[in-house]
Amino acid sequence: QKEVEQDPGPLSVPEGAIVSLNCTYSNSAFQYFMWYRQYSRKGPELLMYTYSSGNKEDGRFTAQVDKSSKYISLFIRDSQPSDSATYLCAMSITGGYQKVTFGIGTKLQVIP
Amino acid sequence: NAGVTQTPKFRVLKTGQSMTLLCAQDMNHEYMYWYRQDPGMGLRLIHYSVGEGTTAKGEVPDGYNVSRLKKQNFLLGLESAAPSQTSVYFCASSPYLAGGEETQYFGPGTRLLVL
Repeated sequence: QKEVEQDPGPLSVPEGAIVSLNCTYSNSAFQYFMWYRQYSRKGPELLMYTYSSGNKEDGRFTAQVDKSSKYISLFIRDSQPSDSATYLCAMSITGGYQKVTFGIGTKLQVIP
Repeated sequence: NAGVTQTPKFRVLKTGQSMTLLCAQDMNHEYMYWYRQDPGMGLRLIHYSVGEGTTAKGEVPDGYNVSRLKKQNFLLGLESAAPSQTSVYFCASSPYLAGGEETQYFGPGTRLLVL
């Protein structure tokens, strides 16, 4: 069993839809949770960063962490075609030097 | 700022050939990383460095060597390339921020095909 599980998709939604992306994990020591966005043939870029449990909102994006269920989510409101990308969840145990464990990514396509 | 740059962008090697991938960052970051990304496997850490002159093994280090002689550069070497090393290679860097959100900044990637 992988430490981080993520459905690779692809996930196709119409423009304006609410998108829900999820990851589960097995290591209860993870404390830092991240979502990266990766456009085709580009490097990943950090989208959201959350420490421990709770919600964090940034514009149309909301990250949720439920440590009791070992489950994290990224919600995208009013999705746009420019949101079409692969979304990678990532997590680490400590700050400082980060050994980050990544999910395989979910490919999202927002259809105009 | 150029951020993180990688050279070359694409390369084709024959089995047994050697090559060096160059990563450069202009953000004065302490930490640098080399990952490979394969379909269905996600990003896997090959080697990393926590400062100039230091390197350490990651999750999949076999067949690769690294050097960090200057703070801004991190080199990844393949001494004898194998088809299993066909992949997309990403370099990343991150600052040391005590108690802060230590984002990893990624380069654009190098696509390597080993025949």
